[in-house]
Amino acid sequence: QKEVEQNSGPLSVPEGAIASLNCTYSDRGSQSFFWYRQYSGKSPELIMSIYSNGDKEDGRFTAQLNKASQYVSLLIRDSQPSDSATYLCACGGYSTLTFGKGTMLLVSP
Amino acid sequence: KAGVTQTPRYLIKTRGQQVTLSCSPISGHRSVSWYQQTPGQGLQFLFEYFSETQRNKGNFPGRFSGRQFSNSRSEMNVSTLELGDSALYLCASSLDPGTYEQYFGPGTRLTVT
Repeated sequence: QKEVEQNSGPLSVPEGAIASLNCTYSDRGSQSFFWYRQYSGKSPELIMSIYSNGDKEDGRFTAQLNKASQYVSLLIRDSQPSDSATYLCACGGYSTLTFGKGTMLLVSP
Repeated sequence: KAGVTQTPRYLIKTRGQQVTLSCSPISGHRSVSWYQQTPGQGLQFLFEYFSETQRNKGNFPGRFSGRQFSNSRSEMNVSTLELGDSALYLCASSLDPGTYEQYFGPGTRLTVT
């Protein structure tokens, strides 16, 4: 049973702070890793993908992958109230994607 | 480029009825995956289609079925609806099958009464 674990939150951070979201996965065969953002009542939106160990930066977002520890993280710098949403971690091997249940992030002005 | 479209957006059905949901992928995307999202279970994989063939299937009963057409559009069907089938049904498209980046449609909110 492939599992992706995330802290459900909510994770509360003040505006301008760094938000750190974490995810662990059980399938060592996972090759691709994604972060999705889902606003309440909306569908998930792909914000980051990462395939190799290390960091990947895109604007205010940095994804980090450590395959040895089976750990993926997402850092959001200069957090804004508009970043308040649920963040879903997804991992995949050679078949389907497995999603975590998401971490709710609340950014207060 | 237009995104993934799903129809209908909202649906109310009665127990025992059946329902068909439709998904049109992003132009050029050949793979379509379906997910069920509920507050308690999160996003659960239903099935994936590529070249009109089901490549993978999640752990759902046979009441859930799907198909893909030659233009990559996909439909899913749920027969003999149960109250527990109330959920947001999401379609995601990707260029190729497997675990390449998937882009979600707006979803169909199904309520079973």
